[in-house]
Amino acid sequence: GAVVSQHPSRVICKSGTSVKIECRSLDFQATTMFWYRQFPKQSLMLMATSNEGSKATYEQGVEKDKFLINHASLTLSTLTVTSAHPEDSSFYICSAIGLAGVYEQYFGPGTRLTVT
Amino acid sequence: RKEVEQDPGPFNVPEGATVAFNCTYSNSASQSFFWYRQDCRKEPKLLMSVYSSGNEDGRFTAQLNRASQYISLLIRDSKLSDSATYLCVVNLGSTGRRALTFGSGTRLQVQP
Repeated sequence: GAVVSQHPSRVICKSGTSVKIECRSLDFQATTMFWYRQFPKQSLMLMATSNEGSKATYEQGVEKDKFLINHASLTLSTLTVTSAHPEDSSFYICSAIGLAGVYEQYFGPGTRLTVT
Repeated sequence: RKEVEQDPGPFNVPEGATVAFNCTYSNSASQSFFWYRQDCRKEPKLLMSVYSSGNEDGRFTAQLNRASQYISLLIRDSKLSDSATYLCVVNLGSTGRRALTFGSGTRLQVQP
């Protein structure tokens, strides 16, 4: 099946710093990528929908100035957590769907962010 | 009310047991339905899609009742390797272009 990678897989940063997470589709072109967040023992919650070449669409309650999303190419979307705080510590997962409207969404392996 | 609600779990069952998970969804416009499996600290992986006619994949059987907005997953002959969290997932778009809405998951622990 299609492969989606995320980098880094794990990051620890200090409060107030910014962290960039990359999501790449390795063997297909992804017109749409989704960013999810999962807190311990909770379900995945959609943060935003990222379409190549256009602004991301954020879900209610997600601050667009804090979570910057860039989908500059058909194979790469980035999520930057700006001025991170301990409450931003979470598991961030991206998924991607392809040009042909591939039915299945392919998930990246996730990035575990810990803010100290 | 949550958009997708699942049995809270955890389900602790012996090897070889049959176990059933239930799920209800609130949006009647939901078009497609899935069960995903998530192992601890890993990304979710698609287990199977769910169709109105019901479908089976080996030891796994999924059922959908659109009238009741109810989805189920049956696992027969449980294996130790089935231990995971099972996520009920719905999608408002039939083409897969809309984001997925996840239930909170039901944890299954299969014991020897």
